[in-house]
Amino acid sequence: QVQLVESGGGAVQPGGSLNLSCSVSGFTFSSFGMHWVRQAPGKGLEWVAFIRYDGNNKNYTDSVKGRFTISRDNSKNTLYLEMNSLRVEDTALYYCARVVAKTLDYWGQGTLVTVSS
Amino acid sequence: QSALTQVASVSGSPGQSITISCTGISSDGGGYNYVSWYQQHPGKAPKLMIYDVSRRPSGLSSRFSGSKSGNTASLTISGLQAEDEADYHCASYTSTRNWVFGGGTRLTVL
Repeated sequence: QVQLVESGGGAVQPGGSLNLSCSVSGFTFSSFGMHWVRQAPGKGLEWVAFIRYDGNNKNYTDSVKGRFTISRDNSKNTLYLEMNSLRVEDTALYYCARVVAKTLDYWGQGTLVTVSS
Repeated sequence: QSALTQVASVSGSPGQSITISCTGISSDGGGYNYVSWYQQHPGKAPKLMIYDVSRRPSGLSSRFSGSKSGNTASLTISGLQAEDEADYHCASYTSTRNWVFGGGTRLTVL
């Protein structure tokens, strides 16, 4: 079955960095685009970034452009999110999700990022 | 693209039908037919319920249906059941090749 497992979350001070990973199984990772979506405590979902199946196209929400980098290693079935210059407002549960024809169809359980001094 | 607009909460009694709306869907070709809905129980990951405005994933109950009129998409749940109590989020692909979510609607089954 399709599984997505995020890791790498934790507590960091403002201005710090974190690297998230999303390990997938149960499908051919190299054939699917992938997303990162976040959810601040008690808030709605916010789309963060997208990467095409081959890694050659990447999109970001405006608030993370220049600070976050999405990438993937198809040989390791793993999606990444490098987060730099973290802000308090980046505090959230970060989900990875698979995309099929513009729809996010499978989601992981999320990894918590807390940015606080 | 600003976040899509959803009412914060709705409620209904078991057996009733409720509709959750999502306003601000792009009116151009970019996102017009790429609206999806997600159910999220507390502490759980979102689950896809409706995609491409009105299509249901395989195996999903027909009690869940989606539609769109103008810039507003809607999720209707008929024959409400206790397990339907959850947060519901709409999402749309946009003309700028990004994705946008609504703020979420909490459904309470009375």
